[in-house]
Amino acid sequence: KAGVTQTPRYLIKTRGQQVTLSCSPISGHRSVSWYQQTPGQGLQFLFEYFSETQRNKGNFPGRFSGRQFSNSRSEMNVSTLELGDSALYLCASRYGQGYEQYFGPGTRLTVT
Amino acid sequence: SQQGEEDPQALSIQEGENATMNCSYKTSINNLQWYRQNSGRGLVHLILIRSNEREKHSGRLRVTLDTSKKSSSLLITASRAADTASYFCATDGGFTSGTYKYIFGTGTRLKVLA
Repeated sequence: KAGVTQTPRYLIKTRGQQVTLSCSPISGHRSVSWYQQTPGQGLQFLFEYFSETQRNKGNFPGRFSGRQFSNSRSEMNVSTLELGDSALYLCASRYGQGYEQYFGPGTRLTVT
Repeated sequence: SQQGEEDPQALSIQEGENATMNCSYKTSINNLQWYRQNSGRGLVHLILIRSNEREKHSGRLRVTLDTSKKSSSLLITASRAADTASYFCATDGGFTSGTYKYIFGTGTRLKVLA
């Protein structure tokens, strides 16, 4: 089975711009979660989608949004980028709640 | 301290030695998972242990879970230089008051010296 893929792998944006990150889960996995990883805050949960519905959301401002398509692929959008949004954004998929998560390689976002 | 706090924060050992990392958490959980991350890359799932399990093995890895103490440990036996990475525990707390709790710990940075 192919693993979780994320595109793009690296991204440089300017403050105030918006960005869309993409994640393709492992085939058969209907749950996709997004995480932000920074040296200061560690790994923080952004949100989880299951069967096209947002099941839960972490403690992030409304500038962070996401969606999931019928084929389980997911996108995450960050609007009005701030310098503090520079981070590694990780996507993970799993079969369902209670199962292990499988992570993609991440998208390294740099905001200048 | 935050949910899923690892101890120690950093660990340096010689190749062939055993490495033990601990994870403490605060709330009830459905399961606890351990992950490895190499130098800012994606996380690799190592082991999932459910709340009704006390010990689990996978190759050179042994995980224990003590729900009464809200703690877990990861033991890597006969360590290799390739085990050098950061190790994270993550607690799956299911839904509590309508909120789903899946929280990562702060991580242990393991360095195995050849």
